[in-house]
Amino acid sequence: AQSVTQLGSHVSVSEGALVLLRCNYSSSVPPYLFWYVQYPNQGLQLLLKYTSAATLVKGINGFEAEFKKSETSFHLTKPSAHMSDAAEYFCAVSDGSGNTGKLIFGQGTTLQVKP
Amino acid sequence: DGGITQSPKYLFRKEGQNVTLSCEQNLNHDAMYWYRQDPGQGLRLIYYSQIVNDFQKGDIAEGYSVSREKKESFPLTVTSAQKNPTAFYLCASRRQGVDQETQYFGPGTRLLVL
Repeated sequence: AQSVTQLGSHVSVSEGALVLLRCNYSSSVPPYLFWYVQYPNQGLQLLLKYTSAATLVKGINGFEAEFKKSETSFHLTKPSAHMSDAAEYFCAVSDGSGNTGKLIFGQGTTLQVKP
Repeated sequence: DGGITQSPKYLFRKEGQNVTLSCEQNLNHDAMYWYRQDPGQGLRLIYYSQIVNDFQKGDIAEGYSVSREKKESFPLTVTSAQKNPTAFYLCASRRQGVDQETQYFGPGTRLLVL
């Protein structure tokens, strides 16, 4: 069965510092991988996704992630944190197009940005 | 303006009562999903439907029911059998295709027990 592990339920950085949110997955088939962001009491917004094209994926709001098959990782980074980045971030894996499309989510990482 | 709408934003359930959460999409997507979100547990799949008049149980379907009579609509009923219904419920629809694969989420409904 597929699973997703997000290391660190809470991450705190200073404004302007590097953001690194970790995600590891287990999948028996080449996965589709996603990062979503959620602001309080709102739905999820797609940040970026990996669907078998380039392994370095750029998303919205200056975020990017690199798919590393050998490490089964898909860590999310941003060079310089902004106060508006404070939110909860979810990594998810899918069984791919043509199948059920079900998403398996990690438990989420809350990003705090300190002034 | 395309997207997914969920209503109501807040819903209160009394003991023994069934309540229905609405989810509508105008994205022309075939597949739709219902997730439950609890603090510290991420999102868990309740039910999903890949096509009109067909749906399957997800990981935590007990105490819930759904219908899919129209492509645009996928309502979720929380029955009295669901003993711990307090949670944030999110509906999603799926755009399919190798490089287009994405689930889009609605704004959510927060269900509270009186």
